[in-house]
Amino acid sequence: AQKVTQAQTEISVVEKEDVTLDCVYETRDTTYYLFWYKQPPSGELVFLIRRNSFDEQNEISGRYSWNFQKSTSSFNFTITASQVVDSAVYFCALRISGGGADGLTFGKGTHLIIQP
Amino acid sequence: DSGVTQTPKHLITATGQRVTLRCSPRSGDLSVYWYQQSLDQGLQFLIHYYNGEERAKGNILERFSAQQFPDLHSELNLSSLELGDSALYFCASSVDRSEGKQYFGPGTRLTVT
Repeated sequence: AQKVTQAQTEISVVEKEDVTLDCVYETRDTTYYLFWYKQPPSGELVFLIRRNSFDEQNEISGRYSWNFQKSTSSFNFTITASQVVDSAVYFCALRISGGGADGLTFGKGTHLIIQP
Repeated sequence: DSGVTQTPKHLITATGQRVTLRCSPRSGDLSVYWYQQSLDQGLQFLIHYYNGEERAKGNILERFSAQQFPDLHSELNLSSLELGDSALYFCASSVDRSEGKQYFGPGTRLTVT
């Protein structure tokens, strides 16, 4: 069975600080996909990134960056120079490739609060 | 805007009743997934349909059922509702059946009183 752990329930930082959200996953499959989603106060789930298990390159998109390390089964998300609009709940998710229960397995989420 | 639409946005009903939630996927997407988000269980995968056929089941109760129609829209039917079924129900769509990014709709908030 798959499992995603987001140990940080809530993080509060002051605007312009950098912040890293941790994600640790468990799976026995060698082919899988990792995702991050953002859920702002309005409630919708916004796709941020998908990474497959064979691509360990780090990715940067503007102020967002992701660090994927298979050796530690982690897929951490860093926001540089945080802004108030980044305040949201962030979910890490895992999906194995192939048959079986193939929906996303989500972590419990990290509530990020950016204070002005 | 993800391109996935869900109706209704809010639904309030009584215990024991039956409701139907509707989802229209993004144009061109063949897969529809249903998820439930509740305070105690978090976000849970319920069921996946691909091009009209059931593909996989997650933590879906026997009182719940779903289907995907020829025009690819999907409906989630919830019956014999209990207070614990109060949750936000999301549908998501993707272009294929396994690897695609899943784009989520705005959700239907169900309140059972």
